[in-house]
Amino acid sequence: GESVGLHLPTLSVQEGDNSIINCAYSNSASDYFIWYKQESGKGPQFIIDIRSNMDKRQGQRVTVLLNKTVKHLSLQIAATQPGDSAVYFCAEGGYGGSQGNLIFGKGTKLSVKP
Amino acid sequence: GAGVSQSPSNKVTEKGKDVELRCDPISGHTALYWYRQSLGQGLEFLIYFQGNSAPDKSGLPSDRFSAERTGGSVSTLTIQRTQQEDSAVYLCASSPGVGGGFEAFFGQGTRLTVV
Repeated sequence: GESVGLHLPTLSVQEGDNSIINCAYSNSASDYFIWYKQESGKGPQFIIDIRSNMDKRQGQRVTVLLNKTVKHLSLQIAATQPGDSAVYFCAEGGYGGSQGNLIFGKGTKLSVKP
Repeated sequence: GAGVSQSPSNKVTEKGKDVELRCDPISGHTALYWYRQSLGQGLEFLIYFQGNSAPDKSGLPSDRFSAERTGGSVSTLTIQRTQQEDSAVYLCASSPGVGGGFEAFFGQGTRLTVV
């Protein structure tokens, strides 16, 4: 797979704006997808998930969109706040309808400017 | 606490020594994962346990790495003859498993430094 080297892709947004973080997944057989948030020095925290039989799911201030045709996942954060600054990872799993291992994408660093 | 617990939180070891990292998953979770994260990088899958099934070891980088899960609960990741490139944060996660949900809960990780 492609390596991003030592630097994660970075998205910089103004406080109050909406953020969109994108992810390309690799396995068309994956049947669930999860977005995680990782703050510095902490383990990843669950944000929102979506099954492959859905194309959109909404949570509190977050929306996940799934496009299986192009194997693309996105996370939309409404009214981004400084506390949203973190690295965001997408993960895919559940090959063939049973729970398999969870494979993570490369991550995107979100920086929120006050 | 009810979360995933990892120990030690930090480990400094000399090159060539063996280390053991421990993970206590959330009680009742049948699925357990180990990942490795180098500074500024993503999560590299190492190994996955699901109930009594044979573990998926496809992510282990070399035969110096091994993991066990005793009694379907606690897991130990062992790295033999450590090398400097093994330095990373090792993260453990657990989830309810098949039929019980797939959200994985992570521990805080063990930061391993090989000198």
